[in-house]
Amino acid sequence: DVVMTQSPLSLPVTLGQPASISCRSSQSLVHSDGNTYLHWFQQRPGQSPRRLIYKVSNRDSGVPDRFSGSGSGTDFTLKISRVEAEDVGVYYCMQGTHWPWTFGQGTKVEIK
Amino acid sequence: EVQLVESGGGLVQPGGSLRLSCAASGFTFRSYWMTWVRQAPGKGLEWVANINQDGSHKSYVDSVKGRFTISRDNAKNSLYLEMNSLRAEDTAVYYCVRAGGVGSVDYWGQGTLVTVSS
Repeated sequence: DVVMTQSPLSLPVTLGQPASISCRSSQSLVHSDGNTYLHWFQQRPGQSPRRLIYKVSNRDSGVPDRFSGSGSGTDFTLKISRVEAEDVGVYYCMQGTHWPWTFGQGTKVEIK
Repeated sequence: EVQLVESGGGLVQPGGSLRLSCAASGFTFRSYWMTWVRQAPGKGLEWVANINQDGSHKSYVDSVKGRFTISRDNAKNSLYLEMNSLRAEDTAVYYCVRAGGVGSVDYWGQGTLVTVSS
């Protein structure tokens, strides 16, 4: 199975400051169809996960533009340009290129 | 508006069985792959099973193969997860999730808690 490794696992951030989460995969996530199925999810406390970014860098509808995704191959990053209070929660990367689909361990973002 | 509403969770003894249901609305259910994802208390996310649009293709994570069965009824806009020989390690919130395109999931239900304990 493809192992997804996120870092850091805990990220204390000052309001208004940027934040960055890394996600590395044990194999390339480039699919035979040429797409890279790497996605990012946000899970606020007590809520279900919500997709933020799909296929590396595409923001879902309604997602603030302070969230951005980048990367290629095995190395990916989620960035929050200016953290707001509503961004507190756990962030997961997920790969859908290889069976079984797998998630990272999660990164907990909290306000300092 | 896409809605996914799970039901059927509860407390069950080790070795017991449970059937989860998911009622879908707000989209053309028969056109989408569907997925079950679980989350053990205080832990991360784990994909459990997928099913394609007509139910002819199913995939499972190794830890549930032979014990869990995913199915769907497109006439009822419903997804199911039949769980047998349950173990303590199956304790989790189970989410019904729409597979929004190749290799991804998009909309999630609110989840239903399954607790396996004597």
